[in-house]
Amino acid sequence: EDQVTQSPEALRLQEGESSSLNCSYTVSGLRGLFWYRQDPGKGPEFLFTLYSAGEEKEKERLKATLTKKESFLHITAPKPEDSATYLCAVQAAPRGAQKLVFGQGTRLTINP
Amino acid sequence: GAGVSQSPSNKVTEKGKDVELRCDPISGHTALYWYRQSLGQGLEFLIYFQGNSAPDKSGLPSDRFSAERTGGSVSTLTIQRTQQEDSAVYLCASSLGPNQPQHFGDGTRLSIL
Repeated sequence: EDQVTQSPEALRLQEGESSSLNCSYTVSGLRGLFWYRQDPGKGPEFLFTLYSAGEEKEKERLKATLTKKESFLHITAPKPEDSATYLCAVQAAPRGAQKLVFGQGTRLTINP
Repeated sequence: GAGVSQSPSNKVTEKGKDVELRCDPISGHTALYWYRQSLGQGLEFLIYFQGNSAPDKSGLPSDRFSAERTGGSVSTLTIQRTQQEDSAVYLCASSLGPNQPQHFGDGTRLSIL
């Protein structure tokens, strides 16, 4: 069964304090790994897709990386507006399987 | 441009009643998905539509749940004889096609009394 585990569950940082969020996955062939940001009362907002080990994507203060077993979301010099829940999801390779399997998320709080 | 639109944003109903939730995908997106987000459960897949192909219903939790997509655009998720465990946020997403990033609406918060 495809599984995604995110850690930590919650993380508090001071403004400017860099850190990383982890997403470990077990999947029967990876088609893609997705990172989303979710604000309270809103739907998930797409951030990145990673397809193969070694791939990296960047957007502003965020950088996502991928290995064969896990992905990291690195946050550099975060600001209070980066506070949100970050969700990781995988899409498995079997033909026709389009569903995303999500982790429980990491709730990130950036204190000014 | 306009994102995925869902209505209503909130729905409160009594146990045993039927409910219909609506999703308007992003224009031009051929793929549409329904997910459910419950406290402690995370996001779980319900159903996937792609063009005129038969939908993937593998995530529907019981036969009380059904969904249709008319004209390849708007979709309706129907829950019959609602139970308290159906209380959750129901999220709709759409994508340009298979294997493309899924873009989510803000969901319908369903509360069963």
